[in-house]
Amino acid sequence: DAGVIQSPRHEVTEMGQEVTLRCKPISGHNSLFWYRQTMMRGLELLIYFNNNVPIDDSGMPEDRFSAKMPNASFSTLKIQPSEPRDSAVYFCASSTGEGQHGYTFGSGTRLTVV
Amino acid sequence: AQSVTQLGSHVSVSEGALVLLRCNYSSSVPPYLFWYVQYPNQGLQLLLKYTSAATLVKGINGFEAEFKKSETSFHLTKPSAHMSDAAEYFCAVSEGTGGFKTIFGAGTRLFVKA
Repeated sequence: DAGVIQSPRHEVTEMGQEVTLRCKPISGHNSLFWYRQTMMRGLELLIYFNNNVPIDDSGMPEDRFSAKMPNASFSTLKIQPSEPRDSAVYFCASSTGEGQHGYTFGSGTRLTVV
Repeated sequence: AQSVTQLGSHVSVSEGALVLLRCNYSSSVPPYLFWYVQYPNQGLQLLLKYTSAATLVKGINGFEAEFKKSETSFHLTKPSAHMSDAAEYFCAVSEGTGGFKTIFGAGTRLFVKA
């Protein structure tokens, strides 16, 4: 199993541009999570999906952020327009069940908005 | 609401010494508890998990943690530190039932001195 796959690993973009982060969860996992990690705020849950349906997006910072999961093997997190304060490492994680098994994390996307 | 507090943002030990990383949690129902490790430029990796079976949980790399309900604690220990244990460690709690959220602590960076 290749694990949770995120792309790109690094993204540098200019303020105002659209950014799309991608995630492929582990096959058979029915829950998918997007987290953001910064030095100041630590790990923040942005949104999670169960069986491709968004369950809780209360962590999404503002309307500039959106996430989709069109099928069980793919999810995107989009920022439009991007701002320098969006610079962070974005992680995707997947799991089975209701959280009792723990998560498998991807390697993350380091986003820098200049 | 669930929450996690990790005591000490940095812990430094000598190689071969005991490692003790402290975690206290708050949960309205019996929780699922986890420890994750993060090496530089990588995603989080599950070290061990407590899911209401044995209170002493053994994980990978020689780590273990003990669930103490009376103290609402889930401290992580390793008898003898190795240089390769230097990383950031996160305690996490999930209430599981009816929800999929896992809340992470702020993290403790472990330094191992030769």
